[in-house]
Amino acid sequence: RKEVEQDPGPFNVPEGATVAFNCTYSNSASQSFFWYRQDCRKEPKLLMSVYSSGNEDGRFTAQLNRASQYISLLIRDSKLSDSATYLCVVLGSSNTGKLIFGQGTTLQVKP
Amino acid sequence: DTEVTQTPKHLVMGMTNKKSLKCEQHMGHRAMYWYKQKAKKPPELMFVYSYEKLSINESVPSRFSPECPNSSLLNLHLHALQPEDSALYLCASSQVRTGSNEKLFFGSGTQLSVL
Repeated sequence: RKEVEQDPGPFNVPEGATVAFNCTYSNSASQSFFWYRQDCRKEPKLLMSVYSSGNEDGRFTAQLNRASQYISLLIRDSKLSDSATYLCVVLGSSNTGKLIFGQGTTLQVKP
Repeated sequence: DTEVTQTPKHLVMGMTNKKSLKCEQHMGHRAMYWYKQKAKKPPELMFVYSYEKLSINESVPSRFSPECPNSSLLNLHLHALQPEDSALYLCASSQVRTGSNEKLFFGSGTQLSVL
């Protein structure tokens, strides 16, 4: 089983739609969680951290469910510019300080 | 614009060449990383430097040799690479290596082709 698993998609949605991605992680000791966005042939960029209480940044909402070991990303009112690959990233135990990347979920927003 | 600068942006090299990738950050970060990314795959960690010391080597072949001359610079020396080493090489930095503040800032990468 992969340490961090995502549905690779692609998710094809119309503009204005609401779309949600899930990500599961296997290490219950994992401490920190992030969503990164990566555009084609570009570097990953931090989209948002994910906190236990959930957090929201404009149209984006991230949630963490420690009991079920998954995190989610909700995008409301999708824009064409949201088309990208969304990488779920988990910090393993603090002993290693290693970030573990999921495979990424590709989103295509259509006009 | 990224605050982590990588050069060159593109590199084509033969299997007998020696080349170096360079990375620079001026955010005062004390942890720097090299990642390798193949098309449609996530970044794979290669090396981690923490306070200018190598702290993680993910069993990377010796034809890749990292160097951290100071807290702002990170190099990756390449020698006798194979065609399967062709990939996007990403440098990243973070404030510290461990703990919850592990937000990575990536450079734009070097697209490497080995012929």
